[in-house]
Order: sequence, then structure tokens, then C-alpha cells
Amino acid sequence: LAKTTQPISMDSYEGQEVNITCSHNNIATNDYITWYQQFPSQGPRFIIQGYKTKVTNEVASLFIPADRKSSTLSLPRVSLSDTAVYYCLSAYNQGGKLIFGQGTELSVKP
Amino acid sequence: GAVVSQHPSWVICKSGTSVKIECRSLDFQATTMFWYRQFPKQSLMLMATSNEGSKATYEQGVEKDKFLINHASLTLSTLTVTSAHPEDSSFYICSASASASGLEETQYFGPGTRLLVL
Repeated sequence: LAKTTQPISMDSYEGQEVNITCSHNNIATNDYITWYQQFPSQGPRFIIQGYKTKVTNEVASLFIPADRKSSTLSLPRVSLSDTAVYYCLSAYNQGGKLIFGQGTELSVKP
Repeated sequence: GAVVSQHPSWVICKSGTSVKIECRSLDFQATTMFWYRQFPKQSLMLMATSNEGSKATYEQGVEKDKFLINHASLTLSTLTVTSAHPEDSSFYICSASASASGLEETQYFGPGTRLLVL
């Protein structure tokens, strides 16, 4: 089981870049790293997924160093609507089960 | 991205009744679906994994006779909370994956179903 650890909460201001780092020291060779965003009373929304190096899409970037023991989700120029809980997950190498940690509660202030 | 729907979005029932929640993958075939439960201010807790055409695999501590899961087709899985009690009140969320094991495939989540048992 590749347990992930991330900060419980973070504060930011509109327009700033937010970087949320996640530790996954026991990540397995076949595991991918996936980030989800969840608003209250909604299901998690997929943000980005990667295996190594850097992945970028229209909403975020994901940086994964060579040892893959950590990853950083980067949200450029956050807005108030980015206030949510962000989960970092490392998939099992078998079965694909996602075990959610406590996530990072991001609060974006005006 | 892939769309997963749940029905109903919320339900209120009396203690002792059974409630069925549907999870559908709308634009892809889901060989694997997962059911989660989330209590207020807490993270998602995986309840079970279901593969189309086979019995669900339940996580430790989850009663399979209380939470019946059926995955009869590649686009539909159902969770039935039998003889619901107030402690079963929670937010139930499903997710769907396109690979048989879920490995290397993205899981897409439904919007969730709020269950309140009186």
C-alpha cells in the first residue's frame, strides 16, 4: 500500500500559484500518481495523472522527481473557485484501488 | 472526460427500509466500479470493488449482506443499503474505471448520493 501524505490545509490568495506537495515514499513501480479535487457534497473531480517527470494539462501541472517518492501539484493563478479539498493518490499496483488520505483543504482568499 | 452519473442524488428514508443507489457510466464501458462512503469533514472510504459479471470485493469491516452490490452490465452498478439505520446516513459516491483492474486507467467519480435515514 502506497500511503500518501500531504498538508492538511493551505491558504492562498487569488492570482497566486499554489503548489501542493505529496509524499509517497513507498510507491510501487507500477503505481501512477493521481490528483483529484473535491467540492463539498460533490464527487471528486479528476485533475491530473502522471508516472514521472512533468505532466501539464489545461488546469494544472504535476511534477514528479526521478525517485517518485513525492509529487507536486501546481495550480497557476488560483481563483476563489479553486477553494476545495485536493487529494493525492497512488494507485495500487494490483487492482487499481484508490485509498484516499485526508487531502489538503485549499482556501483561496480575495 | 468520462461521465458518471448517480441516482438518486439524495434520499430520505425510514429506519429499517432498503435503499438502492444506481451508478452509471454514460459514455464508456466500465469493467470496474468502486463504491465509497464519506462522512462529514472526512475523506472518502472505499467500501467495495465490483467487476462486471462477478461478485463484489468488500473492504475489511464492510458488511456485504448489508451493502449489496450488483454490477450486471458494463454501464451500471447498484448499491443497496438493506435495513438502513441512522448510522448509515452518509454521502455515497461511486467511481468507474475502464480497465479490468483499474490499473493505469483513470477513475471517474459520480456526483454522489446523500442518504439520510430517520
